Amino acid sequence: SQTIHQWPATLVQPVGSPLSLECTVEGTSNPNLYWYRQAAGRGLQLLFYSVGIGQISSEVPQNLSASRPQDRQFILSSKKLLLSDSGFYLCAWNMGGGGQPQHFGDGTRLSIL
Amino acid sequence: QKEVEQDPGPLSVPEGAIVSLNCTYSNSAFQYFMWYRQYSRKGPELLMYTYSSGNKEDGRFTAQVDKSSKYISLFIRDSQPSDSATYLCAMVTSGSRLTFGEGTQLTVNP
Repeated sequence: SQTIHQWPATLVQPVGSPLSLECTVEGTSNPNLYWYRQAAGRGLQLLFYSVGIGQISSEVPQNLSASRPQDRQFILSSKKLLLSDSGFYLCAWNMGGGGQPQHFGDGTRLSIL
Repeated sequence: QKEVEQDPGPLSVPEGAIVSLNCTYSNSAFQYFMWYRQYSRKGPELLMYTYSSGNKEDGRFTAQVDKSSKYISLFIRDSQPSDSATYLCAMVTSGSRLTFGEGTQLTVNP
């Protein structure tokens, strides 16, 4: 069966520091991968999605970037964190072909001080 | 106007009640519909996945889709305190990117 892993679960970082969040999927090949941010009590905001290695689409201009160095690995990065980058970051995957549900990791709670 | 509207609640019910959660949408191209359950500090978990209009039942959960009215519902029978969570509706056209509602926060009181 397929599983998705995100780490770390919780992260506290100072303003201006770099960021690297990692997500890996097991048990499938060539998944679509997604990064979302969820503000407290709010819905999901799609940040990036990828349909293959090295293919990244950005949804919202921001201080963050994403990379997909391997088929089942998705990384969210920042060179200099802002206070507004605080939030709950979720990685998700689904299979291509259209209409497929997405499956989520357990997220990383990021606090910027 | 948002493509998907969902009442954020909060919704509080006694244990054993029937819960009705709803979403409306404006894009008639949506073909696939999902309900996710999200516990505090966890990722959303897929609860129900439907394609056609009508009802789909899974244990105490029933998903209902009315494409003519652009309206979907999730019913929870015999609600339990363990059902306390945020419920998100989601839908997609023929592509891969989902459109989510804002989520409804549900509390089931023992």
